[in-house]
Amino acid sequence: EPEVTQTPSHQVTQMGQEVILRCVPISNHLYFYWYRQILGQKVEFLVSFYNNEISEKSEIFDDQFSVERPDGSNFTLKIRSTKLEDSAMYFCASMADRARPDTQYFGPGTRLTVL
Amino acid sequence: AQKVTQAQTEISVVEKEDVTLDCVYETRDTTYYLFWYKQPPSGELVFLIRRNSFDEQNEISGRYSWNFQKSTSSFNFTITASQVVDSAVYFCALSEARRGGGYQKVTFGTGTKLQVIP
Repeated sequence: EPEVTQTPSHQVTQMGQEVILRCVPISNHLYFYWYRQILGQKVEFLVSFYNNEISEKSEIFDDQFSVERPDGSNFTLKIRSTKLEDSAMYFCASMADRARPDTQYFGPGTRLTVL
Repeated sequence: AQKVTQAQTEISVVEKEDVTLDCVYETRDTTYYLFWYKQPPSGELVFLIRRNSFDEQNEISGRYSWNFQKSTSSFNFTITASQVVDSAVYFCALSEARRGGGYQKVTFGTGTKLQVIP
């Protein structure tokens, strides 16, 4: 069964450094999402992406965040200058086709630790 | 604005007991979708079920069953004859339908941690 994959599974970085989290959505999917889960808390929406542009973003998704679909298969989340409070699990999700409502399928997550 | 409330923070049951996880939601839309996800200790999110707002029929899948009641804005999840492998955090979630189909963002509840004791 097709699945969303994410790399790396765990990333450790120093405060102020840039990180790029990578996701490979399911191949025929058109909608892409990033969510964040701070340890012990609920999963929070960051951004949705469709047709090569951001369709919606949350208050959390400030100027230090950016998303990109550089090559038609990968979907990346970049954090330009990481802060301690960016430490969290980051989930990528994808969804098939707006003409046929479907489920967002989540990847296994990348655990980001900012020291 | 949409909101999902899971009032039970943690539940412990003894193996083989039945357990119900509560979920109450708020939305102003008439068309929306409800979900349950399981998050085992390994951290991934495992999709369990999706329900649209027009379908109030209860669903059973093996030991899992879901009770959707629009009148009380609830979407409760019951595990029958619980097993140790059911130990996880369970999230209820809501998404409002976009015009023309598809979803907007998914709003998650705070989760209920279920511990099944052998």
